[in-house]
Amino acid sequence: GENVEQHPSTLSVQEGDSAVIKCTYSDSASNYFPWYKQELGKRPQLIIDIRSNVGEKKDQRIAVTLNKTAKHFSLHITETQPEDSAVYFCAAGPTGGTSYGKLTFGQGTILTVHP
Amino acid sequence: GAGVSQSPRYKVAKRGQDVALRCDPISGHVSLFWYQQALGQGPEFLTYFQNEAQLDKSGLPSDRFFAERPEGSVSTLKIQRTQQEDSAVYLCASSLKGTGTDTQYFGPGTRLTVL
Repeated sequence: GENVEQHPSTLSVQEGDSAVIKCTYSDSASNYFPWYKQELGKRPQLIIDIRSNVGEKKDQRIAVTLNKTAKHFSLHITETQPEDSAVYFCAAGPTGGTSYGKLTFGQGTILTVHP
Repeated sequence: GAGVSQSPRYKVAKRGQDVALRCDPISGHVSLFWYQQALGQGPEFLTYFQNEAQLDKSGLPSDRFFAERPEGSVSTLKIQRTQQEDSAVYLCASSLKGTGTDTQYFGPGTRLTVL
């Protein structure tokens, strides 16, 4: 089945710096790659997603890049702010030969932005 | 409008007890997913419903886990004879359609602690 590896597991940056989180996946059939932000005790919230027909997508300070050949995708956050501190999860899908949105998640990255 | 809701938010059970966890998806959403999130890990797929049909239960850990969505809206995840290893946050997500690239909206989760 699909395997999604996420790095780093923790990331500490100063306010205003950029943060980059990287994920690799194994199932070449995956064509949807969402990123979720989860604050402590809260629900995962979608922050950006990319579909395999594009290589990059940007939304204000957040961007995602996708390399289907190498099977990796990355989240880029510029001008980080303390409120960006949270756990970030990447995911890939649909997996398992399914046509619906079965997602496989990475292990998460704890991002801490110091004021 | 209202997002995905789950109840109870917290559940403490003694080993061997049965529990039932409820999910109210966003109104009109066809797809409903259950995920299990262990402490410090990403969500892991349990089962998928398209309307009232359970199309995938490949992620259910054992036959003690059972899920239903009888009328195609509210879903219940039942765990019989709970074990300590069942302790986790159980997340529900819904999406509008049944396609592989549809955005999944998560509920706040139910934190289950088995003593």
